Amino acid sequence: DTGVSQDPRHKITKRGQNVTFRCDPISEHNRLYWYRQTLGQGPEFLTYFQNEAQLEKSRLLSDRFSAERPKGSFSTLEIQRTEQGDSAMYLCASSSPRGGSLSGNTIYFGEGSWLTVV
Amino acid sequence: TQLLEQSPQFLSIQEGENLTVYCNSSSVFSSLQWYRQEPGEGPVLLVTVVTGGEVKKLKRLTFQFGDARKDSSLHITAAQPGDTGLYLCAGARYNFNKFYFGSGTKLNVKP
Repeated sequence: DTGVSQDPRHKITKRGQNVTFRCDPISEHNRLYWYRQTLGQGPEFLTYFQNEAQLEKSRLLSDRFSAERPKGSFSTLEIQRTEQGDSAMYLCASSSPRGGSLSGNTIYFGEGSWLTVV
Repeated sequence: TQLLEQSPQFLSIQEGENLTVYCNSSSVFSSLQWYRQEPGEGPVLLVTVVTGGEVKKLKRLTFQFGDARKDSSLHITAAQPGDTGLYLCAGARYNFNKFYFGSGTKLNVKP
């Protein structure tokens, strides 16, 4: 399967603990996105990378959140000192084959990582 | 306020009925995507439309992009229980830096 993959799929953690999610994008895609989705809502933009550069961060991304994409391939999203309000599905998506064809106008999602903070 | 407004939010219909879901904005998008999402899973791409006035068909699903590229519709003919899910529209602005999502339409097709 050469789609976007996310790990872990599910994470239950106690309030105050740190969690890290990993995303492996489609291999030829140079753009990588993180979104957050709560029940009954559409995905909300958190941040995006072009190659290893983090080009935009949403105001939703408090200083407890940090995302990295050190080699321009996989990415991690870390949440420090988790709070119950962080409970959500964290979605990773990728787009834009290197070389910039028109398929850059579509993003492809992974299956998501569910976080439950108790 | 969301950049893309979807309507209706909820739709419950009987198998065999037709339905239309709308995605509207006051902003212009260079492309618009429709996704279907099942509980606990990520959104799965159905279609991308890029040209104003474009119509695309995917079996019983018909997608239309408005002439001004500000709105889109999804029409399902003879809905089936397997069509049940959350339908999301997403638009890309011209630099493709960010994709904006509607809040979704939750469709339930009863057998």
